[in-house]
Amino acid sequence: LAKTTQPISMDSYEGQEVNITCSHNNIATNDYITWYQQFPSQGPRFIIQGYKTKVTNEVASLFIPADRKSSTLSLPRVSLSDTAVYYCLVGAPLSGGFKTIFGAGTRLFVKA
Amino acid sequence: GAVVSQHPSWVICKSGTSVKIECRSLDFQATTMFWYRQFPKQSLMLMATSNEGSKATYEQGVEKDKFLINHASLTLSTLTVTSAHPEDSSFYICSARNQLTTNEKLFFGSGTQLSVL
Repeated sequence: LAKTTQPISMDSYEGQEVNITCSHNNIATNDYITWYQQFPSQGPRFIIQGYKTKVTNEVASLFIPADRKSSTLSLPRVSLSDTAVYYCLVGAPLSGGFKTIFGAGTRLFVKA
Repeated sequence: GAVVSQHPSWVICKSGTSVKIECRSLDFQATTMFWYRQFPKQSLMLMATSNEGSKATYEQGVEKDKFLINHASLTLSTLTVTSAHPEDSSFYICSARNQLTTNEKLFFGSGTQLSVL
């Protein structure tokens, strides 16, 4: 299983763009990169998923370089409600013994 | 979108009693579900993988006789904390994958806060 490394915490202000980078040096060929958001006392919530290049949805963008050894979650114009923990996970679909291991995550604090 | 329902949201019990937590996939089938526990200010720790129709696979250090998992149908997995003690107090979360998709997207329950007195 590919291990992930993220910054422990980040601070930002409302309206700014936030970029959180995740390192996954031993990512396997079949691995996808998925980001989740978790608020206190709630289960994580899916944000975005990608395999390579760039993916964008209504809440975020995910940038993945050609070597796929890192990825960057970009949150445009954050608000106070984006204060949460963000987890980067890598995993391969349909692989035998697949399971999801969470790293430490990044605590994002958005200030007014 | 896909929904995973987890009940109860919170439970308080006396030491020595057993507590059952349910995890249901409401609009998709899940042959595999996962159970995690989370302590305050810490990340999720995978406890076990629940497999429909077969035995669960437990992570190292997790007692299978302490945390009983049953996955009797494609939409329901249960975690029973047997003879609970105060050190079992934690936030328990389940997740599930839609078996019909090929991506890695997991859907999580809302979690269960267990407090053992």
